[in-house]
Amino acid sequence: QVQLVESGGGLVKPGGSLRLSCAVSGFTFSDYYMTWFRQAPGKGLEWVSDISSTGGRTNYADSVKGRFTISRDNARKSLFLQMNSLTVEDTAVYYCARDRHSSGWFVDWGHGTLVSVSS
Amino acid sequence: DIQMTQSPSSVSASVGDRVTITCRASQDISSWLAWYQQRPGKAPSLLIFAASTLQGGVPSRFSGSGSGRDFSLTISSLQPEDAATYYCQQAYSSPRISFGQGTRLEIK
Repeated sequence: QVQLVESGGGLVKPGGSLRLSCAVSGFTFSDYYMTWFRQAPGKGLEWVSDISSTGGRTNYADSVKGRFTISRDNARKSLFLQMNSLTVEDTAVYYCARDRHSSGWFVDWGHGTLVSVSS
Repeated sequence: DIQMTQSPSSVSASVGDRVTITCRASQDISSWLAWYQQRPGKAPSLLIFAASTLQGGVPSRFSGSGSGRDFSLTISSLQPEDAATYYCQQAYSSPRISFGQGTRLEIK
């Protein structure tokens, strides 16, 4: 069955960096756009970034542009999010997700990984 | 950016009640709207897409309606397992999708 498993979250100081990973199984990873979302504690959902199936096209929310970089390794069936210059506002659970039909609806989600930015 | 506004922000209802949550977009998004359910500590789960199409495996007591700017999610007969937070999401401006702020549903 389809599985998305995030890892790499943790506690980091403001200004620090972190790299999140999302390992997938159960579908042909290289066929799909992939997306990162986040959810601050007690808050709603926010789209962060997405990447085309080949990795050639990427998009970012204004709140992370210039600080975060999305990438993928299709051979390893893995999605990444490199997060630099972290601020306390980046504290959130980060989810990777797949748009199964390239339609903007997200059926497949990981369980999330918590990133805490605090001094 | 397209803003999504849900109401109410929270609702409390009894088992068997009919519950409706509304979502308004800041501009016309046609039928590019989805509804998600999120239980505490879990990832969101897609309930409805294209405003009114039920995702496979979702109970038929859930239904969606609307187009343009105004949308609604209705639970026809509330069950205990429906306690969760519900989010609307627009895909009109994909990839720059956006969500409503959420509606917390409590079972009395």
